[in-house]
Amino acid sequence: AQTVTQSQPEMSVQEAETVTLSCTYDTSESDYYLFWYKQPPSRQMILVIRQEAYKQQNATENRFSVNFQKAAKSFSLKISDSQLGDAAMYFCAYKGNNNDMRFGAGTRLTVKP
Amino acid sequence: GAGVSQSPSNKVTEKGKDVELRCDPISGHTALYWYRQRLGQGLEFLIYFQGNSAPDKSGLPSDRFSAERTGESVSTLTIQRTQQEDSAVYLCASSPAPTVAYEQYFGPGTRLTVT
Repeated sequence: AQTVTQSQPEMSVQEAETVTLSCTYDTSESDYYLFWYKQPPSRQMILVIRQEAYKQQNATENRFSVNFQKAAKSFSLKISDSQLGDAAMYFCAYKGNNNDMRFGAGTRLTVKP
Repeated sequence: GAGVSQSPSNKVTEKGKDVELRCDPISGHTALYWYRQRLGQGLEFLIYFQGNSAPDKSGLPSDRFSAERTGESVSTLTIQRTQQEDSAVYLCASSPAPTVAYEQYFGPGTRLTVT
């Protein structure tokens, strides 16, 4: 079964600095997608970035980028120029051929002014 | 357009009572998912609907949990004889299609508290 591991329960970053959130996963599938979702206190899950496993190029969305290492099954999220509004829970998620999406336990990001 | 909506936003119930949670997916989305999120934890898959196909119930934790969806419209998650361990946020998500490529769009969730 696919599992997703986020080894950092909490992270902290100074405003305007860069932070990297870690995620590893386990799978035997070759075709899958990886996601980072943000969950602010409002509980609304918001998609931050998505990576197709067959693409070697790392996905980028403005200040958010990923470091996808398929052989190592690693999928980290880098947030550049951190803003106060980035403070939230961040969840790494895996979607393969099964119907469900597998989520990690989450990393709580605090942004210090 | 409108996103995924869920009601109620919060629900407090006594142990042993039945509760019904509602999800309105984005119009045109054929796939619908229910997840449970316990305090401080990630999301646990509960059930998946795709069009008129038989639902994937593999994530339901016990027979006290059930869900219905008519076609591609509203879904209800029912928890019978609630227990304190059922306290959690229940999130619904919908997707344009069931293929692996499509992201899931989440609702704001229902926070269930069983006293």
